[in-house]
Amino acid sequence: AQRVTQPEKLLSVFKGAPVELKCNYSYSGSPELFWYVQYSRQRLQLLLRHISRESIKGFTADLNKGETSFHLKKPFAQEEDSAMYYCALRPPLGGSNYKLTFGKGTLLTVNP
Amino acid sequence: EAEVAQSPRYKITEKSQAVAFWCDPISGHATLYWYRQILGQGPELLVQFQDESVVDDSQLPKDRFSAERLKGVDSTLKIQPAELGDSAMYLCASSLGRFRNSPLHFGNGTRLTVT
Repeated sequence: AQRVTQPEKLLSVFKGAPVELKCNYSYSGSPELFWYVQYSRQRLQLLLRHISRESIKGFTADLNKGETSFHLKKPFAQEEDSAMYYCALRPPLGGSNYKLTFGKGTLLTVNP
Repeated sequence: EAEVAQSPRYKITEKSQAVAFWCDPISGHATLYWYRQILGQGPELLVQFQDESVVDDSQLPKDRFSAERLKGVDSTLKIQPAELGDSAMYLCASSLGRFRNSPLHFGNGTRLTVT
């Protein structure tokens, strides 16, 4: 069964500090990994996906298949980064159980 | 930018009553999803449609929940009778298609409170 674990429910950093939101997954194969973000009073939205290999709003995430991790990183946190972050997994295209499975989320607070 | 529309935004109902939620996906999106998000948890898939067909409803409590997407466009999720444990945010999402490897776009959700 596919599973996503975000070990930290809450993460608090100061503005300008580096931030890393942890995500570990369980899946026997090569899944697609995503980070979704939900800002206060806004809808859940895609932040980035591992196949795009791009940086969005200064955030990057590297898929580490050996450690089955997809941690989200930003070198200098900004106050506007404060939000709920969800890591999500989806099996490969055409695979069985092709659905997006979410972790429980990490609430990031960036203090001034 | 096109968005997924959901209504109502908030719904308060008494237990044992019936309640229904509506979702209009982004135009052209063949796949539609209903997720439930309990406070403090991540979204959990209830049902997934490809056009008008259900492709996954393994987590849908079928004794009280039903979902339909009759014309393959908008969708309705119904709960009858509602129970206290159904209080949650119900999210609708859509994507281009099950075999298009496209990301999901979410609506604002309907927050259900059962009293």
